[in-house]
Amino acid sequence: DGGITQSPKYLFRKEGQNVTLSCEQNLNHDAMYWYRQDPGQGLRLIYYSQIVNDFQKGDIAEGYSVSREKKESFPLTVTSAQKNPTAFYLCASSILRQGRSGNTIYFGEGSWLTVV
Amino acid sequence: GENVEQHPSTLSVQEGDSAVIKCTYSDSASNYFPWYKQELGKRPQLIIDIRSNVGEKKDQRIAVTLNKTAKHFSLHITETQPEDSAVYFCAAIARQLTFGSGTQLTVLP
Repeated sequence: DGGITQSPKYLFRKEGQNVTLSCEQNLNHDAMYWYRQDPGQGLRLIYYSQIVNDFQKGDIAEGYSVSREKKESFPLTVTSAQKNPTAFYLCASSILRQGRSGNTIYFGEGSWLTVV
Repeated sequence: GENVEQHPSTLSVQEGDSAVIKCTYSDSASNYFPWYKQELGKRPQLIIDIRSNVGEKKDQRIAVTLNKTAKHFSLHITETQPEDSAVYFCAAIARQLTFGSGTQLTVLP
């Protein structure tokens, strides 16, 4: 887990503003993921990427965008189209893509986003 | 897609008692079942996992069982301690990792 770094830990967004959450991993993992967690709720998948320059929508991709220009980096942009973005955002990575051989997912420490 | 249901949503036990959390999954292609513990405001931490070719796995006070036929798996914590209090999530992987909704475990001293 220590090899996944998210920043910032706390972020405030104004109405109509785009914000970007950073996620960097030095574990040489192939796959990276973004999850959203609302208070008292489970984890919902926003986007995932199994290889550089490729990514797939998860269950709640609307209002979010990602890029995967480097293997170690998977930033998440919360756009103004996301009407209720206040949540805890978790980045994660795994050594192989899911579904191929079921590998452990490790999480970053998370970023708290609040709309002000 | 995969659907993972987790029960109960809250569980309170006396210190020293056992706790059991149960999950069911829908996709028979799921082959990996991790369990995560999440303390308030922190990231989920993997505590134990099991693969589809194994029926049971134990690590000290924690054990997980898997019934592929019935498509359910369970987490067992014995001799619970106050520091076991947290939210526990089950998950299953078919095409992608799907989480259960979580169980808030409270261990009463």
